[in-house]
Amino acid sequence: GQNIDQPTEMTATEGAIVQINCTYQTSGFNGLFWYQQHAGEAPTFLSYNVLDGLEEKGRFSSFLSRSKGYSYLLLKELQMKDSASYLCAVSSGDYKLSFGAGTTVTVRA
Amino acid sequence: DAMVIQNPRYQVTQFGKPVTLSCSQTLNHNVMYWYQQKSSQAPKLLFHYYDKDFNNEADTPDNFQSRRPNTSFCFLDIRSPGLGDAAMYLCATSRDGAEQETQYFGPGTRLLVL
Repeated sequence: GQNIDQPTEMTATEGAIVQINCTYQTSGFNGLFWYQQHAGEAPTFLSYNVLDGLEEKGRFSSFLSRSKGYSYLLLKELQMKDSASYLCAVSSGDYKLSFGAGTTVTVRA
Repeated sequence: DAMVIQNPRYQVTQFGKPVTLSCSQTLNHNVMYWYQQKSSQAPKLLFHYYDKDFNNEADTPDNFQSRRPNTSFCFLDIRSPGLGDAAMYLCATSRDGAEQETQYFGPGTRLLVL
């Protein structure tokens, strides 16, 4: 079975940093994705990690530790438009993408 | 712009009345997926097509069917919707379905069952 855990909600102030953790236990691992989903809209791709370490892409960075079954998404210099749900998803084979329930981030002025 | 389109964005149906949701894509991807996402839950894969090859997830109820008449279009048919089928239905595509490929999502159709 697939088990992917992430916190339900997080709140932070505009301009701050927030770290969203994701832990996973899956049958097979071929990489971890982070998606952003604004309310009522489609999930959009943010990042993909398959090797251990940190991948930086502008204000967003994603980290992976395969031995620990752990990833985080780091959002820096938070903006109001970053208020959204962030979904952690593990690829465990062709066509197989298993999602966490998502972390709702609320950015306050 | 290349994209994944879902219509309608909101669909209301009656308990037991068949309903069809549609998805189209201009990405020319081989694989199309249907996910069900209930409030505050993870998207759950119902099935996917590689070209015309249909693949059902083991726990997808028989009440859910799908058709893919051509590369661009895919339909989700719910034969007898129950109250528990009220959810957001997301369509996604990927080029070939390989494990490292990004999936591209449509905006979703929110289904309400009365």
